[in-house]
Amino acid sequence: DAGVIQSPRHEVTEMGQEVTLRCKPISGHDYLFWYRQTMMRGLELLIYFNNNVPIDDSGMPEDRFSAKMPNASFSTLKIQPSEPRDSAVYFCASQLAGTSYEQYFGPGTRLTVT
Amino acid sequence: LAKTTQPISMDSYEGQEVNITCSHNNIATNDYITWYQQFPSQGPRFIIQGYKTKVTNEVASLFIPADRKSSTLSLPRVSLSDTAVYYCLVGPLGGYNKLIFGAGTRLAVHP
Repeated sequence: DAGVIQSPRHEVTEMGQEVTLRCKPISGHDYLFWYRQTMMRGLELLIYFNNNVPIDDSGMPEDRFSAKMPNASFSTLKIQPSEPRDSAVYFCASQLAGTSYEQYFGPGTRLTVT
Repeated sequence: LAKTTQPISMDSYEGQEVNITCSHNNIATNDYITWYQQFPSQGPRFIIQGYKTKVTNEVASLFIPADRKSSTLSLPRVSLSDTAVYYCLVGPLGGYNKLIFGAGTRLAVHP
């Protein structure tokens, strides 16, 4: 398997624009997670899905953030409108259900909002 | 939530064994201990997970004393490629929203 795939790897946009980050989890994995990493706040869980259903979105910072998982092989994280403080690396991760915290992370999307 | 405390940074040399200790004094009965590794410009990578005593895999060993108030990640014979940030996480199975990646421990391995 190719692992978790994220696109784009880098995104530079202007404040106020809509940004869509994409993730393809590892085939067969039941859980999908979106994280954000910044120097100031470290790695934070934004939202996670189980079998395509959002389970906990309490980490989503504002209503400007939304996430969807239309099927088992695709998820998006959308920011509309984007702000400079959204600049961060966004990671998607997936894992199998079971008795472990063995999550597989993607390479991340580095977002810069100017 | 169980709070974890790790050293901010550590230095080692190639070929040495490195032990990184994590303190989690208020760990709950149903909490597990998980360690991740993160290289620059990459996502974290799962290393090992345990509940009590000792767990070993091809990458590392995890030592957990009987009171479970701390744990030690042991990396045998490190190489330059082990330079990374190591995170200790504590939480109940399935409690994904309770896992906290703190600042981690920055390990620098020198030639």
